[in-house]
Amino acid sequence: EPEVTQTPSHQVTQMGQEVILRCVPISNHLYFYWYRQILGQKVEFLVSFYNNEISEKSEIFDDQFSVERPDGSNFTLKIRSTKLEDSAMYFCASSVDRQGDTQYFGPGTRLTVL
Amino acid sequence: RKEVEQDPGPFNVPEGATVAFNCTYSNSASQSFFWYRQDCRKEPKLLMSVYSSGNEDGRFTAQLNRASQYISLLIRDSKLSDSATYLCVVNGGATNKLIFGTGTLLAVQP
Repeated sequence: EPEVTQTPSHQVTQMGQEVILRCVPISNHLYFYWYRQILGQKVEFLVSFYNNEISEKSEIFDDQFSVERPDGSNFTLKIRSTKLEDSAMYFCASSVDRQGDTQYFGPGTRLTVL
Repeated sequence: RKEVEQDPGPFNVPEGATVAFNCTYSNSASQSFFWYRQDCRKEPKLLMSVYSSGNEDGRFTAQLNRASQYISLLIRDSKLSDSATYLCVVNGGATNKLIFGTGTLLAVQP
């Protein structure tokens, strides 16, 4: 069964450093998403991406965040200058279509900012 | 009012029990409704979509009441493997972002 994959599974970084989290969505999916979950809290939407541009972003997704689809398979989330409060689990998701369609989640990248 | 509200639990039930989870949502424009399951430190996995007519998948039954903005999940004949956090999820109305509840923790005891 096709699945979303993410690398790395765990990333440790120093405050102020840049990190890039990578995702490979399911191959025939057209919509891509990033969510995050701070330990003990709910899953929160960050950004959605379609047709090589951001379709929606949340208040969390400020100028420190960016997304890119550098080739036909990868979808990346970059945090330019990490803060302690960026420590969380970051989940990539993808869906075939837009509204009503199931979003399939990757296993996540645990980001720890020291 | 929270966008998606759930009782956090925990629900501690014996094997074989029937357990029900409830959820309310605030955005009347939401069009899609789901129950996801999340094991500790893992990704959310779709359990089932929820339709107004109600739907059943084996031991799991989901119901949606649009008028009351209320979603439910019933698990019959609980198994140890059902122990997880159950996430009530709705889409953001005119958008395709998913809005998650905080989840309800279920612990099935032998």
